[in-house]
Amino acid sequence: AQTVTQSQPEMSVQEAETVTLSCTYDTSENNYYLFWYKQPPSRQMILVIRQEAYKQQNATENRFSVNFQKAAKSFSLKISDSQLGDTAMYFCAFTLSNAGGTSYGKLTFGQGTILTVHP
Amino acid sequence: DAEITQSPRHKITETGRQVTLACHQTWNHNNMFWYRQDLGHGLRLIHYSYGVQDTNKGEVSDGYSVSRSNTEDLPLTLESAASSQTSVYFCASSEGGRTNEQFFGPGTRLTVL
Repeated sequence: AQTVTQSQPEMSVQEAETVTLSCTYDTSENNYYLFWYKQPPSRQMILVIRQEAYKQQNATENRFSVNFQKAAKSFSLKISDSQLGDTAMYFCAFTLSNAGGTSYGKLTFGQGTILTVHP
Repeated sequence: DAEITQSPRHKITETGRQVTLACHQTWNHNNMFWYRQDLGHGLRLIHYSYGVQDTNKGEVSDGYSVSRSNTEDLPLTLESAASSQTSVYFCASSEGGRTNEQFFGPGTRLTVL
């Protein structure tokens, strides 16, 4: 079975600064996807960024980037130039795929990290 | 615009009652999922379906059931509600394949007294 661990229950950062959220996972499989989801107070789940395990290049989406260390099974999220709207719960998630990259869809989530951005 | 909706958004029920949470998506996605969110556990998979007439148990399926009679709907039934099932429930859908982004509904907060 796959597990995802987020060891930081809460983090805080000043507006415009950079913050890194940690995530580790455990799997014996070689093909998978990793995700970061954002859940603001509205409770809506929003996909922030996705990483395919076979890609060595770290994914980037505007102010959001990941540091994917496959051997260490680590997948951290860096938020640059933090904004008040980044205040939310952030979840790391994992799903298996086949060798062709087709996902099986089921997500395994970490416990979540509450991020607060202070003005 | 395509969307995924859940109803009701809030529900209070009593122990032992049967409860059904609705999930409806207009994405025409084959894959649909039910998760529950609890503090300290993140989201955990209850049941999932890869198509009509297909249903599968997830990590925390005891006390829950689903049925898939069409592409759009995957209702979640609590046969005999228990206080341990007080939670926020999310439905999600995805196209599958390499386009594996899951789209989530707004969630249903269920309280079992």
